[in-house]
Amino acid sequence: GAGVSQSPSNKVTEKGKDVELRCDPISGHTALYWYRQRLGQGLEFLIYFQGNSAPDKSGLPSDRFSAERTGESVSTLTIQRTQQEDSAVYLCASSTLGQPQHFGDGTRLSIL
Amino acid sequence: AQRVTQPEKLLSVFKGAPVELKCNYSYSGSPELFWYVQYSRQRLQLLLRHISRESIKGFTADLNKGETSFHLKKPFAQEEDSAMYYCALSGTGNTPLVFGKGTRLSVIA
Repeated sequence: GAGVSQSPSNKVTEKGKDVELRCDPISGHTALYWYRQRLGQGLEFLIYFQGNSAPDKSGLPSDRFSAERTGESVSTLTIQRTQQEDSAVYLCASSTLGQPQHFGDGTRLSIL
Repeated sequence: AQRVTQPEKLLSVFKGAPVELKCNYSYSGSPELFWYVQYSRQRLQLLLRHISRESIKGFTADLNKGETSFHLKKPFAQEEDSAMYYCALSGTGNTPLVFGKGTRLSVIA
């Protein structure tokens, strides 16, 4: 039974470059969430997809951040013109109605 | 505003001693409360949710609406309980979680 899968597991890039992070949710999970965890901090919500509804983007920290989801499957989180403060672990979670969220292993993003 | 506070960054206890990880919250309405745990080199996983009222790995947590608390307790700590523990809340339905900053539990043999 596959859980939530995220790729890459680690990403090192130079300041100013764009990065794309991928999340494969658990099959059948209609809801998908992206969170960010900076060093020493709790998880902060970024964006949430629920079925075919418009995504809740209220947690995105700037317009450099965007995310897409194809139907009820894969999602990509894109960060344009990366800054050093974007260094963090980016976590994806998925859930089905009324059930708790299941998390992936995360992508550790380091901006040099 | 929605907020989860875990006042202790680090909690060290001896094996066999009782454990209490504190969690207080602020939320207008009726939230769902959760405890998530992250063991070394593993992904974040659900430990407890208040609506199921289960005891998992000997841990329990009771929602106290008067004190807006959801403290996690275990009567006798084990070395394998050493991990990072996060308290979180959400509204009803599949809404995003609001997390506390986490407490690292270290159980000393």
